Amino acid sequence: AQSVTQLGSHVSVSEGALVLLRCNYSSSVPPYLFWYVQYPNQGLQLLLKYTTGATLVKGINGFEAEFKKSETSFHLTKPSAHMSDAAEYFCAVSETTGNQFYFGTGTSLTVIP
Amino acid sequence: EAQVTQNPRYLITVTGKKLTVTCSQNMNHEYMSWYRQDPGLGLRQIYYSMNVEVTDKGDVPEGYKVSRKEKRNFPLILESPSPNQTSLYFCASSPRDRANYGYTFGSGTRLTVV
Repeated sequence: AQSVTQLGSHVSVSEGALVLLRCNYSSSVPPYLFWYVQYPNQGLQLLLKYTTGATLVKGINGFEAEFKKSETSFHLTKPSAHMSDAAEYFCAVSETTGNQFYFGTGTSLTVIP
Repeated sequence: EAQVTQNPRYLITVTGKKLTVTCSQNMNHEYMSWYRQDPGLGLRQIYYSMNVEVTDKGDVPEGYKVSRKEKRNFPLILESPSPNQTSLYFCASSPRDRANYGYTFGSGTRLTVV
């Protein structure tokens, strides 16, 4: 079974600073990779996903993530944080066969004015 | 609008009193699933359904029941709720190829069992 590790359960950045949220997965076979965002009192929304093709994936609200097979990573970045980015972020991986889905434990992002 | 609808959003109940959380999707998705979210534990799958009348246990099924009599509905049933089932619950749906598509989530149900 896969495992998904999100380093840092809480991350704080200043408004305008770079956002970097880390995600590593365990599989030796590249899976499909997802980032979800959960705003307060809401459900999870798909931010971006990688399935095949270009390893740099752009999502909504200026976020992007890069799939690095050699590092088994799929870190989420945004060049300049906005107050509205404060939320919980979940990395998820899905096996390309079997359709199992695995979530990380989440990273809570705080944006400091 | 394509969506997954859960009801209620908030629920406080007493130990042992049966309850049902409803989930409905309007996207004709084959796959539906229930998760619970607890601090530090992320999302853990309770039950899932591959299609009508096909359900299976996830990682934490104890104390829960589900049914899938219609494609659009996937209710979560707690026959005898206990305080350790206090949690935030999410229903999610996906087309058959969920590995490629990902999930659409409902807005969540915050359950408190006292």
